[in-house]
Amino acid sequence: EVQLVQSGAEVKQPGESLKISCKGSGYSFTTYWIGWVRQMPGKGLEWMGIIYPGDSDTRYSPSFQGQVTISADKSISTAYLQWSSLKASDTAMYYCARHHEQGKGYDAFYMWGQGTMITVSS
Amino acid sequence: DIQMTQSPSSLSASVGDRVTITCRASQGISNYLAWFQQKPGKAPKSLIYGASNLQSGVPGKFSGSGSGTDFTLTISSLQPEDFATYYCQQYNSYPFTFGPGTKVDI
Repeated sequence: EVQLVQSGAEVKQPGESLKISCKGSGYSFTTYWIGWVRQMPGKGLEWMGIIYPGDSDTRYSPSFQGQVTISADKSISTAYLQWSSLKASDTAMYYCARHHEQGKGYDAFYMWGQGTMITVSS
Repeated sequence: DIQMTQSPSSLSASVGDRVTITCRASQGISNYLAWFQQKPGKAPKSLIYGASNLQSGVPGKFSGSGSGTDFTLTISSLQPEDFATYYCQQYNSYPFTFGPGTKVDI
């Protein structure tokens, strides 16, 4: 069974760093692009970026470039989203999702993780 | 960036109704269009890719059409489990962008 399992909810203070994870199983992790999507409370979906775990090729939305870092460790089939200095405006649900077809960077999301809620508050 | 718009932003419908949601791209995206369903407190679910192809396991009451800039998602006979918010997304060019969503409720 194809699955993406994300790390648990986090409560952080402004200025703290954070790295959340998304572990893939049931498929060849290195050959499918995997991405991150933000959903702020009560709002819609925002595409943040994607990574190809096979060679760590990464694409960012300009809205998130420089604000977050997307990475992957193919040895443990896990993708990451990290912040070096959180802001209150980073409070949101974050989803990882895998592309539909192997190797295709221009592709639709097929499988989604369950989401990780990040709350940033002093 | 390609801007995606959806109409209506919300609609009220009844069980058994045929529902159509429209998605428009600010420039041509061929058929690089996906649809997602999201219920409150849940992760999105993938419904359609390539504008008209159902993802595995998605019931045939969902259908998609369109190419270029104008697309539609149709639910042929609305059931209680279909009340949700629906998003379109283009994946023709980076950054991939979502529409603002259409909320379907009773």
